[in-house]
Amino acid sequence: QAVLTQPSSLSASPGASASLTCTVRTGINVDTYRIFWYRQKPGSPPQFLLRYKSDSDKQQGSGVPSRFSGSKDASANAGILLISGLQSDDEADYYCMIWHSTAWVFGGGTKLTVL
Amino acid sequence: EVQLVESGGVVVQPGGSLRLSCAASGFAFEDFAMHWVRQAPGKGLEWVSLIRWDGSSTFYADSVNGRFTISRDNSKNFLYLLMNSLRPEDTAFYYCAKDSEYYGSGILDFWGQGTLVTVSS
Repeated sequence: QAVLTQPSSLSASPGASASLTCTVRTGINVDTYRIFWYRQKPGSPPQFLLRYKSDSDKQQGSGVPSRFSGSKDASANAGILLISGLQSDDEADYYCMIWHSTAWVFGGGTKLTVL
Repeated sequence: EVQLVESGGVVVQPGGSLRLSCAASGFAFEDFAMHWVRQAPGKGLEWVSLIRWDGSSTFYADSVNGRFTISRDNSKNFLYLLMNSLRPEDTAFYYCAKDSEYYGSGILDFWGQGTLVTVSS
């Protein structure tokens, strides 16, 4: 089982909200981790969006609008990236990442389609 | 302006070796941790390695541990990745990325454009 699991794809409509999940492997408690989120558009390197551990321990990337936010679902052992007011420009691949066992680990990524 | 420019990506045979370089400019290179991240064509991101600001600590993904070595030259503002015993599954674009802190916070705030390594006979 992978350390981080993300759905491979997600579709949402312009103006709606999208909730991207990053499920942490059973036996690893999501509450103890900072979850980092990156976005990658085709042909470009990734861009840091935000990190989230709790409402008192979070950081937004430089220039990243507040419609991108982080949260957790403890019952699902998952981190969540919420994007509100979806725009066509939000179409991209989104990756989560954590520090686990002396290594950084990325999830497999979610391709977000806005249509 | 922060710039990271990778070089050294070529076609190499399985079992071969290669050294990637990353030229950094526009920031105090010696003050920040640096990473290598790779991406196989059409696939997801895979973190490869981290080196702290002074080179005193290094970390590796399990998939490359023992085969790859990260290093830096703070006097020349260069980051390196020495890759030995290369396998076809190492084929990927290799990105150099700057961390926002000296120790490796996980916030990779600037990235290069990547260099392509192809391992094939």
